[in-house]
Amino acid sequence: EAGVTQFPSHSVIEKGQTVTLRCDPISGHDNLYWYRRVMGKEIKFLLHFVKESKQDESGMPNNRFLAERTGGTYSTLKVQPAELEDSGVYFCASSSRGDPDTQYFGPGTRLTVL
Amino acid sequence: AQSVTQLGSHVSVSEGALVLLRCNYSSSVPPYLFWYVQYPNQGLQLLLKYTSAATLVKGINGFEAEFKKSETSFHLTKPSAHMSDAAEYFCAVSHGRGGSYIPTFGRGTSLIVHP
Repeated sequence: EAGVTQFPSHSVIEKGQTVTLRCDPISGHDNLYWYRRVMGKEIKFLLHFVKESKQDESGMPNNRFLAERTGGTYSTLKVQPAELEDSGVYFCASSSRGDPDTQYFGPGTRLTVL
Repeated sequence: AQSVTQLGSHVSVSEGALVLLRCNYSSSVPPYLFWYVQYPNQGLQLLLKYTSAATLVKGINGFEAEFKKSETSFHLTKPSAHMSDAAEYFCAVSHGRGGSYIPTFGRGTSLIVHP
């Protein structure tokens, strides 16, 4: 069974540009989560999808961040326009409806905004 | 509200020595507690979790953790460190079925294992 995959693994962009991160959860997992870790700090929750619906987006920093989950499968997280403080590692995780608190994490996307 | 404190951003041990990574939590409801490990260039992997059953939880790779309510602690231990245990370890707390499954993470502890 394939795990959670994320693309790209690294992205370097300039301030003001747009970046789109993609997450493919484990097949059949209804729950999909996005997190961010700024260097040396905690991993912070961004938002939670249940299938295609946003269940909780309380962690989204501002309206420059837009997350979607097409058809309840893969998810994208777009940052537009990117700012320096958006740099960090963005993790995606998924869990099943039957065991929602066991989350499986992807390897993360390291975003650097110059 | 919930929070996690991991004591020590770095812990260094010799191969074969006891591993002890400390985690204290704060939660207004009975917590679910987790330890995750992140190896270089990989995602977080669940080591073990406590969900209100046995207070001593055994996980993968020989790790275990004990939930101590009176001390609000969930320290991670392993009797004998291997070189392959070198990684970053994260403690996390959630409210579980009484509330949100969204975990709150600690800042992480890097485990360094010397030959």
